[in-house]
Amino acid sequence: NAGVTQTPKFRILKIGQSMTLQCTQDMNHNYMYWYRQDPGMGLKLIYYSVGAGITDKGEVPNGYNVSRSTTEDFPLRLELAAPSQTSVYFCASSYSENIQYFGAGTRLSVL
Amino acid sequence: TQLLEQSPQFLSIQEGENLTVYCNSSSVFSSLQWYRQEPGEGPVLLVTVVTGGEVKKLKRLTFQFGDARKDSSLHITAAQPGDTGLYLCAGPRYLNAGGTSYGKLTFGQGTILTVHP
Repeated sequence: NAGVTQTPKFRILKIGQSMTLQCTQDMNHNYMYWYRQDPGMGLKLIYYSVGAGITDKGEVPNGYNVSRSTTEDFPLRLELAAPSQTSVYFCASSYSENIQYFGAGTRLSVL
Repeated sequence: TQLLEQSPQFLSIQEGENLTVYCNSSSVFSSLQWYRQEPGEGPVLLVTVVTGGEVKKLKRLTFQFGDARKDSSLHITAAQPGDTGLYLCAGPRYLNAGGTSYGKLTFGQGTILTVHP
């Protein structure tokens, strides 16, 4: 099983550029999440989805957008990249409230 | 706001030593999870503790949930270089009492463990 797959693994953006971080899961999980991880800060929830067509904000949603058109895919969109968005981004999925499966992450630098 | 504080933030020890990582909160959690993250990878769930006072063992790792369900600890016996990584505790986030968390988690800031051969 592939589990949770994130692409790209690395990306460098210039300030003001936009990009989409891709996330797909093959476990038929209803719940999906996007986190960002900064040194010494743990993981902060950006957005989450409880099923296709349903998304909601997490702790740090500003500067990001998401969509969930299918159960499998949950892309994260950065419209106007800023240096503060330099981080490692993780996508996760879950079939229950207790177990989350994480992708390998996307390391993003905004210069 | 439910916050989780982990200590220590960094831990550097020699192979064979024992160690304990703490995860504390002023809030009561219905459960707490421990994850381990290796460089370049996402976190992987190690264990979930649910009952106050619960102790779970995973080989050389012992996890305990506080009686009041506000804290948890991870104890590693005879640490090995393969234990090196970032250890994270996490608990479910609820918008309001009696609701569902929809699986949303609050994470501690993590403990970076380095075990030297």
